[in-house]
Amino acid sequence: SQQGEEDPQALSIQEGENATMNCSYKTSINNLQWYRQNSGRGLVHLILIRSNEREKHSGRLRVTLDTSKKSSSLLITASRAADTASYFCATGDLTGTASKLTFGTGTRLQVTL
Amino acid sequence: EAGVTQFPSHSVIEKGQTVTLRCDPISGHDNLYWYRRVMGKEIKFLLHFVKESKQDESGMPNNRFLAERTGGTYSTLKVQPAELEDSGVYFCASSQGTGVNSPLHFGNGTRLTVT
Repeated sequence: SQQGEEDPQALSIQEGENATMNCSYKTSINNLQWYRQNSGRGLVHLILIRSNEREKHSGRLRVTLDTSKKSSSLLITASRAADTASYFCATGDLTGTASKLTFGTGTRLQVTL
Repeated sequence: EAGVTQFPSHSVIEKGQTVTLRCDPISGHDNLYWYRRVMGKEIKFLLHFVKESKQDESGMPNNRFLAERTGGTYSTLKVQPAELEDSGVYFCASSQGTGVNSPLHFGNGTRLTVT
């Protein structure tokens, strides 16, 4: 299996509902980041959580990190149609070079009206 | 500020041909990265420049891929000769600091199709 696996692979919800996406990883990390990609566009950085942090908020986003379980979750509250996109977690690991982020395969989120 | 720009947005070439992708990072960003995503798989790191120097090219798949960043500004990624398995989306990203502690700013990618 891959470093940075997201779960579920696809998620469909109605506007106003909350969306939760999970990410698991295998190696020790320096930090974990979440990115969003709209169809045909580049990835946009959403939030970074360091390995010594457990929870972080940014607007409607809440990220948790459990280093003992090597997992993270991204919660989007009160979702909007504009949140429709693919969401990727990426880990910056302690081994190897600091420049290399390892991405998962992403969760495709569909928010319907 | 202008974001990371990539050219072309799409490229369709035949197996054996050569293709050159270009990336213009955000002005002032010394760090430039190439990533690619093939056939719905995970996005994989290719290489990292700091200014004009290759800091880490451990993700380059083979010697058919050549990346340059002359003068430390824009970068090119040449695939010669292209193979079918090279098809995918090639992303360029830049950052002011190293990727671990600084978010990456991505371009929209170049979708390469090798037929």
